[in-house]
Amino acid sequence: NAGVTQTPKFQVLKTGQSMTLQCAQDMNHEYMSWYRQDPGMGLRLIHYSVGAGITDQGEVPNGYNVSRSTTEDFPLRLLSAAPSQTSVYFCASSYSGRSYTEAFFGQGTRLTVV
Amino acid sequence: QQPVQSPQAVILREGEDAVINCSSSKALYSVHWYRQKHGEAPVFLMILLKGGEQMRHEKISASFNEKKQQSSLYLTASQLSYSGTYFCGTVYDMRFGAGTRLTVKP
Repeated sequence: NAGVTQTPKFQVLKTGQSMTLQCAQDMNHEYMSWYRQDPGMGLRLIHYSVGAGITDQGEVPNGYNVSRSTTEDFPLRLLSAAPSQTSVYFCASSYSGRSYTEAFFGQGTRLTVV
Repeated sequence: QQPVQSPQAVILREGEDAVINCSSSKALYSVHWYRQKHGEAPVFLMILLKGGEQMRHEKISASFNEKKQQSSLYLTASQLSYSGTYFCGTVYDMRFGAGTRLTVKP
């Protein structure tokens, strides 16, 4: 099992560009989520999904879009990148977000917007 | 709403104990704890269930206070490998606190 795989690991974007961060898991987990991590702010929830076809907003959803067409994949789209979106992004999955199971995190994507 | 962690940072000598707190304005029905080493992804440590049941990890344990609005993580006889940032998260809505940076020195 590869667990949770995120690509790319590093990315530099210019202001206004769009891009998609990829996240895939091979554990048949229902629940997937995206977080951004900024110094001193911890992990802040951007969007999450409780299953294929179902997504919802987290704490900081503005400027990001998600979709969940399959159980395995949960891409995060930046519509028009801004310097404030410079951060480390983590994707996580768990069997069910509201059950007593651990979350598995991907290795992160370090994004810089210039 | 993010749970609130305290302290923000703590420095220990090897073998010393530490307590990290995780608070919420609402009852924490179940809490999970993660540790993140620098430059790596967070890794699951343990979960504390609403009945007080817990899965322990090494010399790390956790508890709720009476009203279940605070959870505390106890690290006993700390080792150098315990260094990292610790996060608590509310299982129900998968929100995490801002983290507590723990440094263990020889």
